[in-house]
Amino acid sequence: DTAVSQTPKYLVTQMGNDKSIKCEQNLGHDTMYWYKQDSKKFLKIMFSYNNKELIINETVPNRFSPKSPDKAHLNLHINSLELGDSAVYFCASSPQTLYTDTQYFGPGTRLTVL
Amino acid sequence: QKEVEQDPGPLSVPEGAIVSLNCTYSNSAFQYFMWYRQYSRKGPELLMYTYSSGNKEDGRFTAQVDKSSKYISLFIRDSQPSDSATYLCAMRDGGYQKVTFGTGTKLQVIP
Repeated sequence: DTAVSQTPKYLVTQMGNDKSIKCEQNLGHDTMYWYKQDSKKFLKIMFSYNNKELIINETVPNRFSPKSPDKAHLNLHINSLELGDSAVYFCASSPQTLYTDTQYFGPGTRLTVL
Repeated sequence: QKEVEQDPGPLSVPEGAIVSLNCTYSNSAFQYFMWYRQYSRKGPELLMYTYSSGNKEDGRFTAQVDKSSKYISLFIRDSQPSDSATYLCAMRDGGYQKVTFGTGTKLQVIP
């Protein structure tokens, strides 16, 4: 059973294109996240949604726009792709309980911008 | 200076060794501390979760938090080749959902 799934797994595209990455979780969690992991493995949060509402929006270019159609899905749309956008993008989800906020990560989407 | 500092390694140890992985941080508001393990080309998975200072043990893994020194550690006893992965420390403050990750330490356990 896949808990957090992302599509596509690999994405190779040209500079200037627009692309989307989809994420779905079947864990019934209320909170979902998008992270960017660069080539040095640094994992940085981009966005977080709680029950379809944006709660974290880090300093991310406007070219990145998250969309949450329901609490099980959080998609990431990227406009006008740049070379520096090449990275692995991880989706994650977590339950909203008092003593734990364990994040469950998807397998990642490896984006290469040429 | 980054909020969370972690030696990127790589760290190579022989099978059966005790491994010590460490992170330092600068934000005194951090209260929740986590260690994630990330295998190559996979997403991170939670290993240990601790609140405030103290020790927590789970099998071969022990997490230590020293808030006075702003220093956290993960110890792995009897290390196995299957422990070869990147280990990321992570932490957050009490009221905010944002988790700040370290850069990760790559560990290789040699049979």
